[in-house]
Amino acid sequence: NAGVTQTPKFQVLKTGQSMTLQCAQDMNHEYMSWYRQDPGMGLRLIHYSVGAGITDQGEVPNGYNVSRSTTEDFPLRLLSAAPSQTSVYFCASSLEGATNEKLFFGSGTQLSVL
Amino acid sequence: AQKVTQAQTEISVVEKEDVTLDCVYETRDTTYYLFWYKQPPSGELVFLIRRNSFDEQNEISGRYSWNFQKSTSSFNFTITASQVVDSAVYFCALSEAKSNFGNEKLTFGTGTRLTIIP
Repeated sequence: NAGVTQTPKFQVLKTGQSMTLQCAQDMNHEYMSWYRQDPGMGLRLIHYSVGAGITDQGEVPNGYNVSRSTTEDFPLRLLSAAPSQTSVYFCASSLEGATNEKLFFGSGTQLSVL
Repeated sequence: AQKVTQAQTEISVVEKEDVTLDCVYETRDTTYYLFWYKQPPSGELVFLIRRNSFDEQNEISGRYSWNFQKSTSSFNFTITASQVVDSAVYFCALSEAKSNFGNEKLTFGTGTRLTIIP
């Protein structure tokens, strides 16, 4: 049972480049979310999804897009990377929602934008 | 808006000492949930405990214990007889219950970095 799988683990981008952070879970979880972790800021919610075809914005959604075409996958797209997006990104999932279940986290993606 | 404050940025204690990590929260809801997560040096976050707002009983799990006090809006975490493996960043988090989809958003504190000195 793989749990929540994030790829890549590390990525370096130049300003203006685009890329997609991948997140997949094999636990049939309805709820999936993306957080970014910055020093002194804790974890901040970027986007979340309560099921296939349903997404919503979190606290810091600007510069990021998401889609949820399947229950398993929840990719995070950076359309035009900026240095302010340098961060560690975590994908998390739970069976029903952040209230009802504990979150299962992926191992994180460390992104640097030069 | 909901808010979680972890005033202790970093704590260092000698192994076998007890240590308490503080968490203070703000919410206007009467129904909410509180969590603690551990982030060891490997980086992956691990769930420790969930508490709902109607259950003020303290909880003990081995060397870990949690004290929930609604009167002071606090949910503190104590490690007894600390060990080097307890070294990690610990996050407190708050989730407010909503009607339709349950609650979708979890607000984290800024974390407390705990270092256990051998």
